[in-house]
Amino acid sequence: DIQMTQSPSSLSASVGDRVTITCRASQNISTYLNWYQQKPGKAPKLLIYATFSLQSGVPSTFSGSGSGTDFTLTISCLQPEDFASYYCQQSFNTPYTFGQGTRLDLK
Amino acid sequence: QLQLQESGPGLVKPSETLSLTCTVSGGSISSSSYYWAWIRQPPGKEREWVGSIYYSGTTYYNPSLKSRLTISVDTSKNQFSLKLSSVTAADTAFYYCARLIPAAWRFDPWGQGTLVTVSS
Repeated sequence: DIQMTQSPSSLSASVGDRVTITCRASQNISTYLNWYQQKPGKAPKLLIYATFSLQSGVPSTFSGSGSGTDFTLTISCLQPEDFASYYCQQSFNTPYTFGQGTRLDLK
Repeated sequence: QLQLQESGPGLVKPSETLSLTCTVSGGSISSSSYYWAWIRQPPGKEREWVGSIYYSGTTYYNPSLKSRLTISVDTSKNQFSLKLSSVTAADTAFYYCARLIPAAWRFDPWGQGTLVTVSS
């Protein structure tokens, strides 16, 4: 199975900050990398797919980059509604695997 | 707007079978464009893809669960289901259903999830 390692596991930031979350795959996954956001008690929400593509309705303050084994999710200007947990997922092959998550909270 | 909702018992005894159903509304489960999936996350542990199914009944299982897992689809009810046999405490988790989109094999949307606890 492909192992996905996210860092950091938690992050404190302020409204207006720029934050970056990284995800590393244990082998080359090309650009088969998706990002999700989840708030407590809510359904996970797709943010970015295929490394770069922004899901419809997701603000342009979110962006993704990377290829091969190293990927990043960047939030360019944190909004109050962005404080949540974030997960990466590789879709290069099955079993699809997820990172352990990054919890982003208010400093 | 497509919505998914999980349902089923929140408590299952060890060695018994965990059964969950996902009801799809706002769209047809028989669409040839999509697959349907189960994902779980034990409290404090990593999220895990359980398996997926196509409307025709073709299934794809996580090898780690394959020997105990059955995923089925009922197109007449617009539902798909999960059965996991011989459960242990390690199967305690939040279980989510989701649509799986072949372009980028991305999960969207997801159900809200349901917590299933395995305990006597």
